[in-house]
Amino acid sequence: AQSVAQPEDQVNVAEGNPLTVKCTYSVSGNPYLFWYVQYPNRGLQFLLKYITGDNLVKGSYGFEAEFNKSQTSFHLKKPSALVSDSALYFCAVRVRFSGGYNKLIFGAGTRLAVHP
Amino acid sequence: EAGVAQSPRYKIIEKRQSVAFWCNPISGHATLYWYQQILGQGPKLLIQFQNNGVVDDSQLPKDRFSAERLKGVDSTLKIQPAKLEDSAVYLCASSLDGIEQYFGPGTRLTVT
Repeated sequence: AQSVAQPEDQVNVAEGNPLTVKCTYSVSGNPYLFWYVQYPNRGLQFLLKYITGDNLVKGSYGFEAEFNKSQTSFHLKKPSALVSDSALYFCAVRVRFSGGYNKLIFGAGTRLAVHP
Repeated sequence: EAGVAQSPRYKIIEKRQSVAFWCNPISGHATLYWYQQILGQGPKLLIQFQNNGVVDDSQLPKDRFSAERLKGVDSTLKIQPAKLEDSAVYLCASSLDGIEQYFGPGTRLTVT
């Protein structure tokens, strides 16, 4: 079955420290992978995506993610966390279905709390 | 560029009542999605439109949920009758290339 797992419900980090939010996936074929962020009472905002090419993908707000095919992982990282990074983060994988159309399957989300 | 617009932002109804949500996608985006996000979970796709045609509604509870996208632009999602378990945030998203999706602010539905 095609799925996305975010093993941590919450990640706590001190401001200025590096952060990692974990994501693993299970999908047939070459994966298209995404990270979205959700602030309170807001919709999801796109952070970055991996389709092909360099395994290290850079995105918005200083975030980056590393694609690891052998470990089927796509962890989100940032070298120095800010209090304003505190939000809910979702990993997603694109799956294709009959007719050539695509849809996203989302993980359950990880709440990031950055403490001053 | 204007983003995806949704209304209302909040709605409280009693069970067995009906409710409708509206979405206006980004101009020119052919693909439109409705998601249900239950508290503590990731968004789950309910229905996907390509222009005004449905390409995936496998997760839509068709006995009570319906959606339409007349003229391939705006879309409405309706629930009739609502159940307690329908309490969630309903997100609309649109896409130009079928890969990157842009989300609206969502409608928070509370069924009492």
